[in-house]
Amino acid sequence: DGGITQSPKYLFRKEGQNVTLSCEQNLNHDAMYWYRQDPGQGLRLIYYSQIVNDFQKGDIAEGYSVSREKKESFPLTVTSAQKNPTAFYLCASSIGAGGTEAFFGQGTRLTVV
Amino acid sequence: KQEVTQIPAALSVPEGENLVLNCSFTDSAIYNLQWFRQDPGKGLTSLLLIQSSQREQTSGRLNASLDKSSGRSTLYIAASQPGDSATYLCAARSGNTGKLIFGQGTTLQVKP
Repeated sequence: DGGITQSPKYLFRKEGQNVTLSCEQNLNHDAMYWYRQDPGQGLRLIYYSQIVNDFQKGDIAEGYSVSREKKESFPLTVTSAQKNPTAFYLCASSIGAGGTEAFFGQGTRLTVV
Repeated sequence: KQEVTQIPAALSVPEGENLVLNCSFTDSAIYNLQWFRQDPGKGLTSLLLIQSSQREQTSGRLNASLDKSSGRSTLYIAASQPGDSATYLCAARSGNTGKLIFGQGTTLQVKP
């Protein structure tokens, strides 16, 4: 089955710790995105990548980092600099960046303990 | 700056009713508008995509319309069922980055 796989489903982070969220797609899509969802705030864009080895900051990139070494993979690292990381993180992909349909993974819920 | 608003925030209807969810956007220069469904604790499922040149799209009991000039889109759900209970999100795509601007969603409850 083609789709987007995010792992883990739940993640717990201690104060001062970096954690990495995985996002893999087998749709052969060029563009990939990371969004954050908070209750009552909707989804906000963290980072996006339109092609391998290239990525750009979204609206709330501070405290996050990404890499795009392979077309199918776009991992997100939540660093200790992110002061309020507890949220639901969603990865998406699309064929290209323009007028194409976006598809989402099932999300990772990150909680600071 | 594009802003997307969804009204109402929550809606409760009896099974079998036809209903309309509303989405408005401030910048009419969009590539397309996409409607999603989200179940609690789950990711987003794409329902319908309307390109800027289109007026509407249909899939089963769902029909989405787009009026760029007025900055509005509606999602029409015919003969609602309890399984339609979920949060419905609309998102507008502007520019060439593929970035989606989301509304805050309408949470629908269909009572048996």
